[in-house]
Amino acid sequence: KAGVTQTPRYLIKTRGQQVTLSCSPISGHRSVSWYQQTPGQGLQFLFEYFSETQRNKGNFPGRFSGRQFSNSRSEMNVSTLELGDSALYLCASSPEPGLAGGDTQYFGPGTRLTVL
Amino acid sequence: QQQVKQSPQSLIVQKGGISIINCAYENTAFDYFPWYQQFPGKGPALLIAIRPDVSEKKEGRFTISFNKSAKQFSLHIMDSQPGDSATYFCAASERRGGSYIPTFGRGTSLIVHP
Repeated sequence: KAGVTQTPRYLIKTRGQQVTLSCSPISGHRSVSWYQQTPGQGLQFLFEYFSETQRNKGNFPGRFSGRQFSNSRSEMNVSTLELGDSALYLCASSPEPGLAGGDTQYFGPGTRLTVL
Repeated sequence: QQQVKQSPQSLIVQKGGISIINCAYENTAFDYFPWYQQFPGKGPALLIAIRPDVSEKKEGRFTISFNKSAKQFSLHIMDSQPGDSATYFCAASERRGGSYIPTFGRGTSLIVHP
């Protein structure tokens, strides 16, 4: 089975721009979560989507948004980029909760976003 | 407020030695405790996980010890190898809205010298 894929792998943007990151989960996984990883704050939960609905949300401003499509692929968008948004953005997928392994998340390689 | 506290921040071990990483949590709603291993340029990968009804779980050279009353858990890497050099994250997950949402520790950078 192919793992979680994320595109692009690297991205450079300037302050004020917006960015869209893409994530394709493991085949059959319906839950997709997004995380921000920085040296200062570590791994922080952004939001989780299941069956095209945002089911959980972390403590991030409204500039961070996401969506999930009917094939479980997900995108996250950051508008009005700030220098502090520079981070590794990780996507993770998991099987449906309640099923075997439904409590485990499988991470992609991440998208490294640099905001200048 | 750090909900999952991980220590040490960095660890240097000789090949063949035992690496021990500790985590502590406060929220009793956490009911699933995975450990992740992350190599540079890669996403975290699940290493081993435990539920609070079990005090210890072993998989190969990796063992999780869990103390529910103390709200602490630890990862032991026996016979540490240079290939184990990576960053290790503990996590504590709770059910929210039907999903498991992990809260991560800040990570431990492990270096195993040959």
